[in-house]
Amino acid sequence: GAVVSQHPSWVICKSGTSVKIECRSLDFQATTMFWYRQFPKQSLMLMATSNEGSKATYEQGVEKDKFLINHASLTLSTLTVTSAHPEDSSFYICSAAWDSYSYEQYFGPGTRLTVT
Amino acid sequence: QQQVKQSPQSLIVQKGGISIINCAYENTAFDYFPWYQQFPGKGPALLIAIRPDVSEKKEGRFTISFNKSAKQFSLHIMDSQPGDSATYFCAAETSGSRLTFGEGTQLTVNP
Repeated sequence: GAVVSQHPSWVICKSGTSVKIECRSLDFQATTMFWYRQFPKQSLMLMATSNEGSKATYEQGVEKDKFLINHASLTLSTLTVTSAHPEDSSFYICSAAWDSYSYEQYFGPGTRLTVT
Repeated sequence: QQQVKQSPQSLIVQKGGISIINCAYENTAFDYFPWYQQFPGKGPALLIAIRPDVSEKKEGRFTISFNKSAKQFSLHIMDSQPGDSATYFCAAETSGSRLTFGEGTQLTVNP
């Protein structure tokens, strides 16, 4: 149980375009979802926390107008990278939790974004 | 105070050996300590987790040792196998807070 999927698994886009990444909890209802960013050989960096039906809470230094997060249902959260630039190229990982008080987070397989 | 320090950065072990990864934390409010395993190009997967009311937890070949007074915890992988080669992250959390990750340890198990 507790399976989280991401789509797409990898995406290449041109500089200046926007790309949307989906995160789905397949077998449970996730009140809270998290979005992380990971550079090669580095740890996971939390970008934002989203609760279903509420605005996302962004970590310090993360541009909320650039990384748009929508958590419209208990099984789906989306991350849209707007006006992408090469420096946005990274591995984006989502995780889902039953609620904001849950200790366990279930991670998705990640999405590799390359901006050319 | 929110940091979790992890060592070593990389570790090479022979097949059948014991892999040991250490983590230290400062925030005494942390009350959940998970370990994640991540293969290249994949998301992290929960391996094992411990609460501070126990000093050790074992699941198969994986054991967490927890020292509350020293604010340290470690992952031991017994009988290490080439398939265990991955990056391991320790983390710490309190209810309702974010996961704080260590820097990661790249484990290589030679056949």
